[in-house]
Amino acid sequence: DAKTTQPNSMESNEEEPVHLPCNHSTISGTDYIHWYRQLPSQGPEYVIHGLTSNVNNRMASLAIAEDRKSSTLILHRATLRDAAVYYCILRASGTYKYIFGTGTRLKVLA
Amino acid sequence: EAGVTQFPSHSVIEKGQTVTLRCDPISGHDNLYWYRRVMGKEIKFLLHFVKESKQDESGMPNNRFLAERTGGTYSTLKVQPAELEDSGVYFCASSQVVPRHLNYGYTFGSGTRLTVV
Repeated sequence: DAKTTQPNSMESNEEEPVHLPCNHSTISGTDYIHWYRQLPSQGPEYVIHGLTSNVNNRMASLAIAEDRKSSTLILHRATLRDAAVYYCILRASGTYKYIFGTGTRLKVLA
Repeated sequence: EAGVTQFPSHSVIEKGQTVTLRCDPISGHDNLYWYRRVMGKEIKFLLHFVKESKQDESGMPNNRFLAERTGGTYSTLKVQPAELEDSGVYFCASSQVVPRHLNYGYTFGSGTRLTVV
């Protein structure tokens, strides 16, 4: 299974953009890149996913490198409610298992 | 729409006892998954149901764990007998379609925190 590498923690100021990086150098051509976040005392929550092209939704944007060996989750304006552990996960096409890594703990400063 | 519901939210049991965790998926979701995070480790896949059938139980740690999904609705995960290393948070998730057609993610429940003493 392809692995992801993320920084253990990051800090951001409220109302500023946040760029959360993820390296996945062993990604295969059919692996989807998913991002989930886990708020305190909650289960993981879907944020966004993509395959090759950059993606936007109401929660965030996902920028995928041209070689797909890395990606960046972009929160356009961080709020205190965005403080969570963010997981970058690869899911092989046709499978249903998520292989979670250790994630990045995001702290948002008021 | 109600989310994925898990109960109990917390359970403390003694080593050797039996515990049953329950998960109610979102209505109409045929796919149900169990994951867990034991202390200091990453969240790991346990198994996947499609309706009442087990599609993949490759993540189940040993035969002390038994998952069922009678009638394809709610699911239970029984640990018998519980050991200290089973302590952790057990998450259930559901999705409407099989993942290769996913254009969104799973919906996870808030988890059951199991403590074996």
